[in-house]
Amino acid sequence: QSVLTQPPSVSGAPGQRVTISCTGSSSNIGAGYDVHWYQQLPGTAPKVLIYGNRNRPSGVPDRFSGSRSGTSASLAITGLQAEDEADYYCQSYDRSLSGSVFGGGTKLTVL
Amino acid sequence: EVQLVQSGAEVKKPGESLKISCKGSGYSFSTNWIGWVRQMPGKGLEWMGIIYPDDSDTRYSPSFQGQVTISADKSISTAYLEWSSLKASDTAMYYCARLPATPATGWFDPWGQGALVTVSS
Repeated sequence: QSVLTQPPSVSGAPGQRVTISCTGSSSNIGAGYDVHWYQQLPGTAPKVLIYGNRNRPSGVPDRFSGSRSGTSASLAITGLQAEDEADYYCQSYDRSLSGSVFGGGTKLTVL
Repeated sequence: EVQLVQSGAEVKKPGESLKISCKGSGYSFSTNWIGWVRQMPGKGLEWMGIIYPDDSDTRYSPSFQGQVTISADKSISTAYLEWSSLKASDTAMYYCARLPATPATGWFDPWGQGALVTVSS
């Protein structure tokens, strides 16, 4: 059971918008710690998609956006493309664990 | 270009020891935290711990404290993850990654290519 909870799977048709939630608690997201998002394509290492809740590294399309509110965060993907099919993970710091934690991951399927 | 290059795949027997490496380049290795992440077959990412190479300040996840040792040699820009007695349950892909910020605010970027560790009798 992960400290950060994500839906195991989400799906959408090409061109649609999907969101992936990341629910934490008062010891991590709710305490104000930043949330970061990673994309892991099949057979590859993860790469950062969003850092500091809503910042995109250079090279990441603006179809990807992040937000944080209360004890939760969300990753939104608009204009869904086949190449977006991957696993997505959120990460935040947890003060009770004195370290970072990952969400359980969400598998995105493009129909 | 900031890059992390990990050592190759390993096949070991239960009870054996192992030390895998992660060499950084293209940035100030000593003054950036480096972390290790485990991914068991078909499973999600698990934060194992981090180290600050300049003074070897090390933080472990409670789940991995006492199970592995994280170290670094700043003279050769290399971080290590070590086991003294492997178990079959240590079979996983292990990634190293840089934290370009503090432990409480930092994200992992970039990541190494991963090192597959297989423990089987």
